[in-house]
Amino acid sequence: QKEVEQNSGPLSVPEGAIASLNCTYSDRGSQSFFWYRQYSGKSPELIMSIYSNGDKEDGRFTAQLNKASQYVSLLIRDSQPSDSATYLCAVNEGTNAGKSTFGDGTTLTVKP
Amino acid sequence: DAGVIQSPRHEVTEMGQEVTLRCKPISGHDYLFWYRQTMMRGLELLIYFNNNVPIDDSGMPEDRFSAKMPNASFSTLKIQPSEPRDSAVYFCASSSTDKNTEAFFGQGTRLTVV
Repeated sequence: QKEVEQNSGPLSVPEGAIASLNCTYSDRGSQSFFWYRQYSGKSPELIMSIYSNGDKEDGRFTAQLNKASQYVSLLIRDSQPSDSATYLCAVNEGTNAGKSTFGDGTTLTVKP
Repeated sequence: DAGVIQSPRHEVTEMGQEVTLRCKPISGHDYLFWYRQTMMRGLELLIYFNNNVPIDDSGMPEDRFSAKMPNASFSTLKIQPSEPRDSAVYFCASSSTDKNTEAFFGQGTRLTVV
């Protein structure tokens, strides 16, 4: 079992819809959780970070964390074609705050 | 800050040659990571440093791979000898334990070994 698992893609949604991306992790001691967006041919860029249970909103993006269920998600409201990318979930180990473990990513396509 | 700077951006080399990839982390960051990304294996952590000291190199695929961080502003990843299966995009990233630990990635080096 991988340490960080993301829902298998690809995921396709129509423009204006809500895209939901999910991630589970195995290390119960994990403290920091991140979502990165990676456009084709580019490097990953951080779009959201979350550290405590609940929701965190930033514009059209909402990250949700449930440590009891070891689950983190990313919701993208009013999806735009420019949101089409691969989204990587990253979790920092509880015993080593500096090291992130990445999921395999979910590729999102937003169709006009 | 200019962000994490990697060089070269693209490298094409012949099998058996030595390849050196370079990275300048963000000033003040105390962690530096080397990742490799391929379609088949995704983003793999090769090695990471904390305060210039290698902490975990368990992701380094073979002895042909080595990494150094002689000071806080420079790191290298060397492959000697290179093989076609080493072809991938290599990313360097840095982070700071003082700033919520999120990693910032360089633009990557696309390595092609022919």
